[in-house]
Amino acid sequence: GDSVTQMEGPVTLSEEAFLTINCTYTATGYPSLFWYVQYPGEGLQLLLKATKADDKGSNKGFEATYRKETTSFHLEKGSVQVSDSAVYFCALRAGNNRKLIWGLGTSLAVNP
Amino acid sequence: GAVVSQHPSRVICKSGTSVKIECRSLDFQATTMFWYRQFPKQSLMLMATSNEGSKATYEQGVEKDKFLINHASLTLSTLTVTSAHPEDSSFYICSAIEKTTDTQYFGPGTRLTVL
Repeated sequence: GDSVTQMEGPVTLSEEAFLTINCTYTATGYPSLFWYVQYPGEGLQLLLKATKADDKGSNKGFEATYRKETTSFHLEKGSVQVSDSAVYFCALRAGNNRKLIWGLGTSLAVNP
Repeated sequence: GAVVSQHPSRVICKSGTSVKIECRSLDFQATTMFWYRQFPKQSLMLMATSNEGSKATYEQGVEKDKFLINHASLTLSTLTVTSAHPEDSSFYICSAIEKTTDTQYFGPGTRLTVL
């Protein structure tokens, strides 16, 4: 069945460091791919999405490119801030199904 | 952006009692809402899909008689945990799909503790 695999955390970085959180997927057909973020004490928020191969989603300095050849959707940010400390979830939605398939989440801590 | 609220944000109850959690889409109509459970340091587990005006669709392994879902209107879905036990303690999250953008918006979650 469809699945999402994320790199395990926690990830700890210093402010202004480069961030990569790996995400790969297995799906039949052509899924839509998402990154959600959960800040401490808050609900999940959509960070960015891509709906077809080679699309790049971007928001708040974060980017992820839908790579069909490697079935990946890695999250990157060039210079992280303390306020980026949160848990990041990769997810996919396959076909007409509105259900999201979730990765396990990666906790990011950014130190000043 | 669209807002989804949940009430209560946190509840503590005694074993054997029932607890109702409300999920509301505040500024949009949601024909479809989802209920999730999130265990500590784990991902979200989809429990059921709630469609307005029809019966909820439960995921495999989720007891429909224990987790009663009612999607009474286009802006409200409720989850009732019946005869709660300590193993039902968890973080329950709802989400709603905003029809025009087909984007899923999440509530802030409800922390349930069963003593």
